[in-house]
Amino acid sequence: DTGVSQDPRHKITKRGQNVTFRCDPISEHNRLYWYRQTLGQGPEFLTYFQNEAQLEKSRLLSDRFSAERPKGSFSTLEIQRTEQGDSAMYLCASSAGLAGRGEQYFGPGTRLTVT
Amino acid sequence: DQQVKQNSPSLSVQEGRISILNCDYTNSMFDYFLWYKKYPAEGPTFLISISSIKDKNEDGRFTVFLNKSAKHLSLHIVPSQPGDSAVYFCAALGEEGAQKLVFGQGTRLTINP
Repeated sequence: DTGVSQDPRHKITKRGQNVTFRCDPISEHNRLYWYRQTLGQGPEFLTYFQNEAQLEKSRLLSDRFSAERPKGSFSTLEIQRTEQGDSAMYLCASSAGLAGRGEQYFGPGTRLTVT
Repeated sequence: DQQVKQNSPSLSVQEGRISILNCDYTNSMFDYFLWYKKYPAEGPTFLISISSIKDKNEDGRFTVFLNKSAKHLSLHIVPSQPGDSAVYFCAALGEEGAQKLVFGQGTRLTINP
């Protein structure tokens, strides 16, 4: 078990460009989460999948953001027309259905810088 | 609105002494609380949790206390070790079945030798 992996680890992009991040959860974890963390703050929930179904989305997830988990395994988070305010660490986490409540396993994150 | 608050951005403690990290919450619907620990360049890792039906949960050197009437919880680490130096996040969950963790801002703990 290699843990949750995220790719890329760092992304620098110009305002207005589209970016896509990938998350590979721990194998057989059926739940996958995306969070965003800005400097000096804790992670903020963005969205959650159970298998391939997106069950909850935060109001933070504007229409420029879209997440998918097509086969219930890896997930992608796309940000269209990036803005400087999108600069943050994007964290992915996964959990198994039988895990303790709230015990989510986090990846190392993708740091996005929008210039 | 910050529903989970950690009012101390940083804390410095001598090795071997007790570290006490505090957390307050405003949403009375929260019924499960967790502490996560984060090292630089890594994602947060789960440390310990407590249900609202309890007022204390202990796991080795780590104890979490919950005061529901005050909407306050604390994490005690004793004795503190240099490897405990990290950022600690308090998090909360709503009703049974909720998956969305609501995090506080974090407290950076530094253990001095």
